[in-house]
Amino acid sequence: AQSVTQLGSHVSVSEGALVLLRCNYSSSVPPYLFWYVQYPNQGLQLLLKYTSAATLVKGINGFEAEFKKSETSFHLTKPSAHMSDAAEYFCAVRYSVGNTPLVFGKGTRLSVIA
Amino acid sequence: DADVTQTPRNRITKTGKRIMLECSQTKGHDRMYWYRQDPGLGLRLIYYSFDVKDINKGEISDGYSVSRQAQAKFSLSLESAIPNQTALYFCATSVEGNTEAFFGQGTRLTVV
Repeated sequence: AQSVTQLGSHVSVSEGALVLLRCNYSSSVPPYLFWYVQYPNQGLQLLLKYTSAATLVKGINGFEAEFKKSETSFHLTKPSAHMSDAAEYFCAVRYSVGNTPLVFGKGTRLSVIA
Repeated sequence: DADVTQTPRNRITKTGKRIMLECSQTKGHDRMYWYRQDPGLGLRLIYYSFDVKDINKGEISDGYSVSRQAQAKFSLSLESAIPNQTALYFCATSVEGNTEAFFGQGTRLTVV
């Protein structure tokens, strides 16, 4: 079965610093990978997705992620953190073949310090 | 208007009561899902449905049941609520292929 592991339940960065949120996946077939963001008291919003095209994926709000098959990773980055980036971030995976639902990681809460 | 609508948004209920959470969507998607979110545990899949006649158990289906009344409606029931079912519940929809899931705003359920 597919799964994802998010390293670090809480990450704190200074405003203007690099944001790096880590996600490693496990999948027996080529995966589709997603990053979602959840702002306080809101639902989940898609940041970006990898669906076997370009390995470097650009998303909304300046975020991007790189699919690295050799490392089974899909880490999320942003060059310069803004206060508005403070939220919870979820990595998710599903198989690229067959009928399978999204499987989520446990989430990483990002705090941005002024 | 939201494409994926969950009702109610908040609910407090007593242990042992039956409760139904409802989800409706205007996206025309054939696939619908119920997840629960708990702090530190992320989102865990309860049930999912790929069309009206298809219902599948997820990771944590015990204590829950679902009904897919139409393509646009997918309800989650707790037959006899217990306190450890206190959580934030999300409905989501998708279509076949490489697309993402689209989420409702969530239902915060408290069982006392």
